[in-house]
Parts: sequence; structure tokens; C-alpha cells
Amino acid sequence: GQQLNQSPQSMFIQEGEDVSMNCTSSSIFNTWLWYKQDPGEGPVLLIALYKAGELTSNGRLTAQFGITRKDSFLNISASIPSDVGIYFCAGHTGSNYKLTFGKGTLLTVNP
Amino acid sequence: DTEVTQTPKHLVMGMTNKKSLKCEQHMGHRAMYWYKQKAKKPPELMFVYSYEKLSINESVPSRFSPECPNSSLLNLHLHALQPEDSALYLCASSQGGGAFFGPGTRLTVL
Repeated sequence: GQQLNQSPQSMFIQEGEDVSMNCTSSSIFNTWLWYKQDPGEGPVLLIALYKAGELTSNGRLTAQFGITRKDSFLNISASIPSDVGIYFCAGHTGSNYKLTFGKGTLLTVNP
Repeated sequence: DTEVTQTPKHLVMGMTNKKSLKCEQHMGHRAMYWYKQKAKKPPELMFVYSYEKLSINESVPSRFSPECPNSSLLNLHLHALQPEDSALYLCASSQGGGAFFGPGTRLTVL
């Protein structure tokens, strides 16, 4: 089945630093999604991307849908302590409603 | 309103109990999902309902039984669960793009 390779697995950064994480796939995806999950809560949708090459921002977050449709990245600028959490990429192939998830990036921000 | 609600928030049950998890969305989304999530792992898809009909069952054991009474509601009936079924159970809905998740039910099976 489809798999998403998400990296890095974890990151430890200082407050104020920028962060970058990415997802790659061997299959083409029609939709790329980025979620943040806090402990004990459900994932929260941060950014949704629907077109190859699309670059979308949500506050300090920026994500891009790769031209090949097989990758996506998420950047967080000027990190703050509340950015701590697990970030998941996810994608749809469009053939059904199945959503495939990456394994997540655990972000720790030191104040 | 982009909210998906789930009840209960926490559930503890014995292996012989029968219980149900409930999920509700009022966004008019045509797809609803059940996911199971273990600590520090990604959500694992269990079931997808599309237009109130079961469209995907990811080979889930029969002790988990989904039900979609109408376009806004999704239930997960639990019976004879095992301790390894303890996890966070997430409901989500979508219109085909980004899926919106509820807060989850933390299930503990004793």
C-alpha cells in the first residue's frame, strides 16, 4: 500500500528558530495535508494543499505541494513554546476517501 | 462550524462488556472515519463511511462494529475487547479534502 516517509522523526530547537520537515512518497498524491497533535487530543488540520506546486501559508506556517506530487514540506518560522507537539503529514490519492499518514515529527521547543 | 464531537472522552471497560463510542458532525461532510491511535504513532484507519454506507473496512476484527445511523452520526460498538485494544479512538469527517478530527475517546480495556 501507499506509504509516506516523514522526516525528521524528532527535532529539538530553541525558541525563535525556524523549523522544516518533509514527507515523500513513492506514489502520487492528489492532496497533501499537515496536522498538529497535542497529547491526548485529536489531530488539528493546519494546512491543506490541492495542486502541484501550491504554496500556502497559515500564520507562521508555510507548506508546499511538490511539483512531482510525491512530496510536501512544512516550515515553521520563529518557533514558540506552544509549537511543541507531533506534526503529521497525510495524503489522499483521490481514488477513495482513504487518508494515509506519515509517522510524525515530534517537535520540542526550548524556551 | 468545523467541529467534530465525540463521547465519551474516557472509557474503561472489562473484556466482557459491551459499550459504544459516538461521533457527530454538522458540517454536511459525506465521509466519516474511525481511526485507532496508539501513543506516539500515527492514526490507523479502521473504517470509512461514504454517504452513510461502509466503503472501507481495514480488516478490523469483528469485535469492533461500526454504524452510521444518518449523515451526521457515527457509532462504534465494542464487544469482547482485548487489553491490546486500549488506545485513543478518533472520529473524523471530510468532504474529500482535509479531514477534521474529533478530540478522541481514550479507551482502556481491563
